[in-house]
Amino acid sequence: GENVEQHPSTLSVQEGDSAVIKCTYSDSASNYFPWYKQELGKRPQLIIDIRSNVGEKKDQRIAVTLNKTAKHFSLHITETQPEDSAVYFCAASITGGSNYKLTFGKGTLLTVNP
Amino acid sequence: GAGVSQSPSNKVTEKGKDVELRCDPISGHTALYWYRQSLGQGLEFLIYFQGNSAPDKSGLPSDRFSAERTGGSVSTLTIQRTQQEDSAVYLCASSLVPRVGSPLHFGNGTRLTVT
Repeated sequence: GENVEQHPSTLSVQEGDSAVIKCTYSDSASNYFPWYKQELGKRPQLIIDIRSNVGEKKDQRIAVTLNKTAKHFSLHITETQPEDSAVYFCAASITGGSNYKLTFGKGTLLTVNP
Repeated sequence: GAGVSQSPSNKVTEKGKDVELRCDPISGHTALYWYRQSLGQGLEFLIYFQGNSAPDKSGLPSDRFSAERTGGSVSTLTIQRTQQEDSAVYLCASSLVPRVGSPLHFGNGTRLTVT
């Protein structure tokens, strides 16, 4: 089955700096890669996703890049703000067929210091 | 409309007891997922429902774990003879259609503590 590795497990940055979280996946057939954000005590929420037919996707201060050859994808947050502090989870899956589950990484605790 | 609702929010039980965790998905969502979140372990897939059937039970850790869904809506995750290693947050999620790419909407989870 799919295996997703996520690094780093914790990340501390100063407000205004950029943050990068990286994930690798094992199944070359995976073609859908979402990122979820979980604030302390709250539920995980989808913040951005990317499919394998594109290499990069941006949404305001966040972006995701995908390298299919190397089987890794990354979340980039620019101009970080204290409200970006949360646990971020990457995930991978195969769209289509009967595979409907997301395999998640172990999460990255991001702390943005004011 | 209401989001995914889980109950109870917290459950403390003694080792060896059975527990039932409930999930009310968003109305109209046909797919329902159970995940387990342990400290430092991310989100571990347990089971997925399409309607009332479970095409994928591959994540259930042992035969002490079972789940059902009725009426294409409410789901119950049952853990029999609980063990301390079962302590975790159990998250339920639903999606509009049973297709990856359809965003998962998570509930707030049930924090289970086995003493």
